[in-house]
Amino acid sequence: DTEVTQTPKHLVMGMTNKKSLKCEQHMGHRAMYWYKQKAKKPPELMFVYSYEKLSINESVPSRFSPECPNSSLLNLHLHALQPEDSALYLCASSPLDRTEANNEQFFGPGTRLTVL
Amino acid sequence: AQSVTQLDSQVPVFEEAPVELRCNYSSSVSVYLFWYVQYPNQGLQLLLKYLSGSTLVKGINGFEAEFNKSQTSFHLRKPSVHISDTAEYFCAVWAGGFKTIFGAGTRLFVKA
Repeated sequence: DTEVTQTPKHLVMGMTNKKSLKCEQHMGHRAMYWYKQKAKKPPELMFVYSYEKLSINESVPSRFSPECPNSSLLNLHLHALQPEDSALYLCASSPLDRTEANNEQFFGPGTRLTVL
Repeated sequence: AQSVTQLDSQVPVFEEAPVELRCNYSSSVSVYLFWYVQYPNQGLQLLLKYLSGSTLVKGINGFEAEFNKSQTSFHLRKPSVHISDTAEYFCAVWAGGFKTIFGAGTRLFVKA
């Protein structure tokens, strides 16, 4: 299995809703990432987990809450989002068995989030 | 600091013509460079990467890139494009640790 899966593909939520995005990989990768991508823009890093511990939080608002319950799963919990949070949310993973720079990132297809 | 500049936001080209997508970088750490492709409504896929060694790097789908240290460039080329190559292409540089800096992207549009 050489892919990263993300569910749901599309999500529409109101500003008072609570929802979660899910990411899964079975490649044995020990680093997992959340990115946010606005239309016609490059991905922006949000969070990185390595060995199931949060390594990077790029000053993301607390209405986004990541969770890494095990080495294969990564969740992003959403609460009280704003319309400007509408974007494509991408999950990625990379192995940690070589130097970090060697680690190409494997991306999932993304979740298209719309906040009303 | 690391940065990436993709010199063209859009590149229209006819099918079977050659194409070059330009990328310039700056880096204060070891230079590791990547090209990713994003097809509509999909995630990013690695086309190729330069870590060390030969400056000409071959990737998937017939793409190649040349690392030029003196010009701080890493241009992507394909000798003959197909309609299916229509996509967004991102040049990226390792920024240390777990961070990758992506360029703004180049939209390749292949016309019949």
